[in-house]
Amino acid sequence: NAGVTQTPKFRVLKTGQSMTLLCAQDMNHEYMYWYRQDPGMGLRLIHYSVGEGTTAKGEVPDGYNVSRLKKQNFLLGLESAAPSQTSVYFCASSRYSGSYEQYFGPGTRLTVT
Amino acid sequence: GQQLNQSPQSMFIQEGEDVSMNCTSSSIFNTWLWYKQDPGEGPVLLIALYKAGELTSNGRLTAQFGITRKDSFLNISASIPSDVGIYFCAGQLKSGGGADGLTFGKGTHLIIQP
Repeated sequence: NAGVTQTPKFRVLKTGQSMTLLCAQDMNHEYMYWYRQDPGMGLRLIHYSVGEGTTAKGEVPDGYNVSRLKKQNFLLGLESAAPSQTSVYFCASSRYSGSYEQYFGPGTRLTVT
Repeated sequence: GQQLNQSPQSMFIQEGEDVSMNCTSSSIFNTWLWYKQDPGEGPVLLIALYKAGELTSNGRLTAQFGITRKDSFLNISASIPSDVGIYFCAGQLKSGGGADGLTFGKGTHLIIQP
């Protein structure tokens, strides 16, 4: 099993450009999450999904959209990138609700200039 | 949002020493998890705690879920060079409803001097 994978690993965007980050998991997990990690801030939840076709807002959702069309995939979109979105983005999945263990992908490092 | 206070922020220790770090909150948590993150990698789960007072070990690592459900600690015995990294505590709020993501502490940077 590959676990949780993320593409791309690195990306540089110019302000105003759009992009989509892809997360895939092969563990048949119901729950998937997108976090961002900034220096000194720990990890903060952007959006999450409790199953195929569902999404919900987390702590810092503004400027991002998500979709969960297939159970194994969770997409994070930036419609108009801003320098404040420069961060490392992590996807995670869990079999049960957030009370249980979450497994993380390797991350995507995004720089917006 | 809810904050977890994790301390210390960083630790400089000698190889072979024991390490202790903790997380505290003003709110009650259902679950406490401890993760380790190596540079350029995602967090990896070390220990999960589900019951107040629970003490769980994973090799040289031991973690406890505080009786008040507002704190947790992680101990590492006889540290070795590969223990270097950032350790995060994370928790699920009692009032969180279950489906929300975890609340993370800001991490403890562990640096080991040979």
